[in-house]
Amino acid sequence: KQEVTQIPAALSVPEGENLVLNCSFTDSAIYNLQWFRQDPGKGLTSLLLIQSSQREQTSGRLNASLDKSSGRSTLYIAASQPGDSATYLCAVRPRSNFGNEKLTFGTGTRLTIIP
Amino acid sequence: EAQVTQNPRYLITVTGKKLTVTCSQNMNHEYMSWYRQDPGLGLRQIYYSMNVEVTDKGDVPEGYKVSRKEKRNFPLILESPSPNQTSLYFCASSLRQGSFLTFGAGSRLTVL
Repeated sequence: KQEVTQIPAALSVPEGENLVLNCSFTDSAIYNLQWFRQDPGKGLTSLLLIQSSQREQTSGRLNASLDKSSGRSTLYIAASQPGDSATYLCAVRPRSNFGNEKLTFGTGTRLTIIP
Repeated sequence: EAQVTQNPRYLITVTGKKLTVTCSQNMNHEYMSWYRQDPGLGLRQIYYSMNVEVTDKGDVPEGYKVSRKEKRNFPLILESPSPNQTSLYFCASSLRQGSFLTFGAGSRLTVL
């Protein structure tokens, strides 16, 4: 059974700093991995999606990497801003369940950017 | 605006009183699914649908029903709600297999 872990559960960083969020998964047979952000009282917003054949994806100040063999992904946020404060979730889609959109989610890292 | 719309956003009900949480998407997505989010447990899939009239169980389907009579709608039905179904529920959709998931804003359900 796939397990997804995000450590730490919470992180506080001064504004302007670069930071890295971590995601680990136990089964490397994944189809892709997706990063989301969740703002309080709101739904999830999809940030980046990395296919299993890719090493990284970039969108603006965000860069996500994937090392499937070691079961790790990182989300790099450059020049952090207070608006980046949110909970960040990673989720993996298993290759064996192709055809089912079931994702296995981590429990998230709550990020606070200190002005 | 492309979106997934859930209703109601907030609901307090009592044990045993049937309720339906509606989900509608305007993006002509094939795939739709329901998740519940609980502290310390993360998001867990309840049911999913690959297309009209095609549904299947996720990880935690007990106590829930779904239907997919139209492509745009995927309601979640709680026939006899119980307190352990108190949770934050999310509906999600995607265009095709493996593509981005778009989530609704969530429905916070409390069962007394």
